[in-house]
Amino acid sequence: DTAVSQTPKYLVTQMGNDKSIKCEQNLGHDTMYWYKQDSKKFLKIMFSYNNKELIINETVPNRFSPKSPDKAHLNLHINSLELGDSAVYFCASSPLQGVNEKLFFGSGTQLSVL
Amino acid sequence: AQSVTQLDSHVSVSEGTPVLLRCNYSSSYSPSLFWYVQHPNKGLQLLLKYTSAATLVKGINGFEAEFKKSETSFHLTKPSAHMSDAAEYFCVVSDPLTGRRALTFGSGTRLQVQP
Repeated sequence: DTAVSQTPKYLVTQMGNDKSIKCEQNLGHDTMYWYKQDSKKFLKIMFSYNNKELIINETVPNRFSPKSPDKAHLNLHINSLELGDSAVYFCASSPLQGVNEKLFFGSGTQLSVL
Repeated sequence: AQSVTQLDSHVSVSEGTPVLLRCNYSSSYSPSLFWYVQHPNKGLQLLLKYTSAATLVKGINGFEAEFKKSETSFHLTKPSAHMSDAAEYFCVVSDPLTGRRALTFGSGTRLQVQP
């Protein structure tokens, strides 16, 4: 019944590894997002997809590659993980693309890079 | 450019007393403003949003916020705090006129509720 679900909830890995975080929404929404929350709780958008099309890419290193196989899924793949990638990553969705839309968030993936 | 400043990183209140979480924004025109709440180990949940209708906005769980253009503020209030209100609160601004298609989040205010 979870509206926006992301896995895994926790991810601990070594520097240099490649990892993926998966996100799925069952709300029928057209737009999905990835946000990064740093250790000071500051949230910043990374990517936005509308109906599988990339809309926003906020100067994120190209080690981060989002993939949207269909509009219900937006996965995040990270290559060559660095210490600074440690953060909580939130997937979100909204019915439409506009900035006034209510966002529905997943419960987050806490990534720790050692 | 749009920005949002949450004036307090931590607020502590006693159960049953009023809550005030302060937020000031900077925007080129008339923005849309939101408050989101994040409970521990959970995703964010929308409390309320202002989109140029009534300046006093009522949200869920008894929260409300007032848009004051002259003060560029959008403070969040609740008459009586409940233990379950303990969480992190984020003030958020969007400003389509700047051409940005994303929301800008404040740095958050942690609300503690003492018994």
